[in-house]
Amino acid sequence: GAVVSQHPSWVICKSGTSVKIECRSLDFQATTMFWYRQFPKQSLMLMATSNEGSKATYEQGVEKDKFLINHASLTLSTLTVTSAHPEDSSFYICSAREGGQGRWQYFGPGTRLTVT
Amino acid sequence: GQQLNQSPQSMFIQEGEDVSMNCTSSSIFNTWLWYKQDPGEGPVLLIALYKAGELTSNGRLTAQFGITRKDSFLNISASIPSDVGIYFCAGQQTGANNLFFGTGTRLTVIP
Repeated sequence: GAVVSQHPSWVICKSGTSVKIECRSLDFQATTMFWYRQFPKQSLMLMATSNEGSKATYEQGVEKDKFLINHASLTLSTLTVTSAHPEDSSFYICSAREGGQGRWQYFGPGTRLTVT
Repeated sequence: GQQLNQSPQSMFIQEGEDVSMNCTSSSIFNTWLWYKQDPGEGPVLLIALYKAGELTSNGRLTAQFGITRKDSFLNISASIPSDVGIYFCAGQQTGANNLFFGTGTRLTVIP
């Protein structure tokens, strides 16, 4: 149980275009979902936290107008990278948590974004 | 954000050897977690620790929650090639919504 999927697993896009990444909890309802970014050989950096039906809370330094997060249902959250640039190329990983604080986060397999 | 430092950054060991790594912080955490990440994949939870001093095992893996609540340790016994990957610690504070990840330890096992 507790499976989180992401789609697509990798995407290449041209500079200036927008890309949407989906994160789904397959067998549980995710009250909270988290979006992380990971650059090569670095740790996971939290970008934002979203609760179902509410606006996402962004970490300091993350542009909310550039990284649009929608958590419209208890099983789906989306991250849209708007007007992507090469420096946005990274590995984006979502995680989902059922219930409140203290419950485990389950991570998706990640999406590799390459902006040319 | 919180800074969790892991040591060593990387290690190369022979198959069958034991491995030790640690994670330290300047802040107190009430939950410590250890994850393994394979290349191109998301992290997978290995062990969760909830009390200071707690020692928990999962197969060949053993992790401890430091007494000061500012550190944690992970040991892997009798390493095998599939142990290769990056090991991350993560800490969570009471009342906080998110996890803070460590800098990672990259493990290479030489057959």
